[in-house]
Amino acid sequence: QKEVEQNSGPLSVPEGAIASLNCTYSDRVSQSFFWYRQYSGKSPELIMSIYSNGDKEDGRFTAQLNKASQYVSLLIRDSQPSDSATYLCAVNSYGNNRLAFGKGNQVVVIP
Amino acid sequence: DVKVTQSSRYLVKRTGEKVFLECVQDMDHENMFWYRQDPGLGLRLIYFSYDVKMKEKGDIPEGYSVSREKKERFSLILESASTNQTSMYLCASSLKGYGANVLTFGAGSRLTVL
Repeated sequence: QKEVEQNSGPLSVPEGAIASLNCTYSDRVSQSFFWYRQYSGKSPELIMSIYSNGDKEDGRFTAQLNKASQYVSLLIRDSQPSDSATYLCAVNSYGNNRLAFGKGNQVVVIP
Repeated sequence: DVKVTQSSRYLVKRTGEKVFLECVQDMDHENMFWYRQDPGLGLRLIYFSYDVKMKEKGDIPEGYSVSREKKERFSLILESASTNQTSMYLCASSLKGYGANVLTFGAGSRLTVL
């Protein structure tokens, strides 16, 4: 069974700072990597996907993937209070319909 | 806009009752999923379906069954509800193939079993 680990507790960052979230996964054949954002009381929504080693930028968000080390990270630049949410890392293998989710990391952006 | 609609936002049921959770999506997605989300345990897959009348067990199928008679509708059934099934239940859908991992979630159904 695939495992996706998101360690550390809630992350508090001041407004304007960079929030950095990390995720490790156990299945070496994993090929698709995702970050979902979940606001309190709401359902998750996809914010980033990454499939190749390296960085992928989308606005203030950057996803980083290192398959050799089996980790994927998410950077939020110029953090805003509206970024306060739980961020879920999700991983899958090619041809598989099933995503494995981490338990999530809560981010609190302090104005 | 893809929409996934879950029939009930909040339900309160008694132990032993049969519970139906309904989910409908309007974007012709092939895949549909039922997850439960609990504090400290994250999202756990109960069942999923990749086609009408097809179903596959997820990570925690015990105590649940599903039905997919039409492409747009995926039902989760608790045959005899128990208190440990108190949870937030999330339905999701996705396309098949390359888009299979891009899940669109419903608003969730919070079930309390007394």
